[in-house]
Amino acid sequence: GAGVSQSPSNKVTEKGKDVELRCDPISGHTALYWYRQSLGQGLEFLIYFQGNSAPDKSGLPSDRFSAERTGGSVSTLTIQRTQQEDSAVYLCASSFGEGPYEQYFGPGTRLTVT
Amino acid sequence: AQSVTQLDSQVPVFEEAPVELRCNYSSSVSVYLFWYVQYPNQGLQLLLKYLSGSTLVESINGFEAEFNKSQTSFHLRKPSVHISDTAEYFCAVSRGSSNTGKLIFGQGTTLQVKP
Repeated sequence: GAGVSQSPSNKVTEKGKDVELRCDPISGHTALYWYRQSLGQGLEFLIYFQGNSAPDKSGLPSDRFSAERTGGSVSTLTIQRTQQEDSAVYLCASSFGEGPYEQYFGPGTRLTVT
Repeated sequence: AQSVTQLDSQVPVFEEAPVELRCNYSSSVSVYLFWYVQYPNQGLQLLLKYLSGSTLVESINGFEAEFNKSQTSFHLRKPSVHISDTAEYFCAVSRGSSNTGKLIFGQGTTLQVKP
């Protein structure tokens, strides 16, 4: 079956612009995660969605970052007023349910802020 | 809060030699432990995990890791590496007995297998 897909694969934007990154999880997976992979910070947790529960936003680095998950499936990560330090690969992962299930990662979106 | 330290950023090794990638964690609560691998130009994928029970866990491609609670370590080992094992390896923890599986990752170790 299809894995986790993310779009776009690459995004170049100017400082101060808003960007939206999309994640399509594996069908039937109720848990969805966003992580960020950057040279200086490694892999960082950003936000977690599980079913209809309130998301765990504890990893979002600032209020410029937000995410939503519509209909328990597709998720969008939005970064407002992008800064150069936002440049990173943004990874989405999904898993079967809450708890320590295997997380299946998408290929990522490489964001470059110029 | 949990944290993970991978002591080596790069590990060069010759083909068929043994290898150990070191991982230590810090946590005041019980944890689940994972190793993820990222092959060149591919996404992250789970290699193995420790949840409970036997402290030695194995992957299908010959890697193993041992949970050592007293030393708060979860080192990854393979007795004989192949060129195809060249990749970046990430150790990760999540809070045990938690209703969230969010992962805290180490900085990663690049394993370079030379012919």
